[in-house]
Amino acid sequence: QQPVQSPQAVILREGEDAVINCSSSKALYSVHWYRQKHGEAPVFLMILLKGGEQKGHDKISASFNEKKQQSSLYLTASQLSYSGTYFCGADTDKLIFGTGTRLQVFP
Amino acid sequence: NAGVMQNPRHLVRRRGQEARLRCSPMKGHSHVYWYRQLPEEGLKFMVYLQKENIIDESGMPKERFSAEFPKEGPSILRIQQVVRGDSAAYFCASSPNRGYEQYFGPGTRLTVT
Repeated sequence: QQPVQSPQAVILREGEDAVINCSSSKALYSVHWYRQKHGEAPVFLMILLKGGEQKGHDKISASFNEKKQQSSLYLTASQLSYSGTYFCGADTDKLIFGTGTRLQVFP
Repeated sequence: NAGVMQNPRHLVRRRGQEARLRCSPMKGHSHVYWYRQLPEEGLKFMVYLQKENIIDESGMPKERFSAEFPKEGPSILRIQQVVRGDSAAYFCASSPNRGYEQYFGPGTRLTVT
């Protein structure tokens, strides 16, 4: 029932790009994306509603394929501040968070 | 506009004691969610409440755990007779309506000795 994220971990140098995938076994109303830094609370990044829309937030964007029940988060030209664990949240009748992807960006 | 507030930030309890965790949602938010996070793990849904109502408690253990969100005052997550396995970070989040983005509080780190 928990959405599966891939990859589990990513290591990048500043300026490199990354893609994080989220796959659900249940039909989704929407997908949420959050970032959590170690010892801190998760921070909301964006929400994608049905309709296959793509959203952007600075150099972070995401897509949602409702037919495949999948979402992808795209991080371009990564910055040191992007480091953290990224969680997708699958909104079925409640928000179930994915398995998480740990991203580390080095100078 | 103050964010989601949780207190205490750290709580130490001995086995068998009770733990009370408080959450004040953002102004204008009437939907509150509680999550538990074990070290190096993800967020596990526990319970979803609206003012005076429990909407979904499917993620909450049936024994020892209870939650409320009264008409006045903060939401409270109560754990009775705590055991070592209850040690975790407990986050609450709030949203203006169901399905909207959720804003998280700083969490309460519960340690059971």
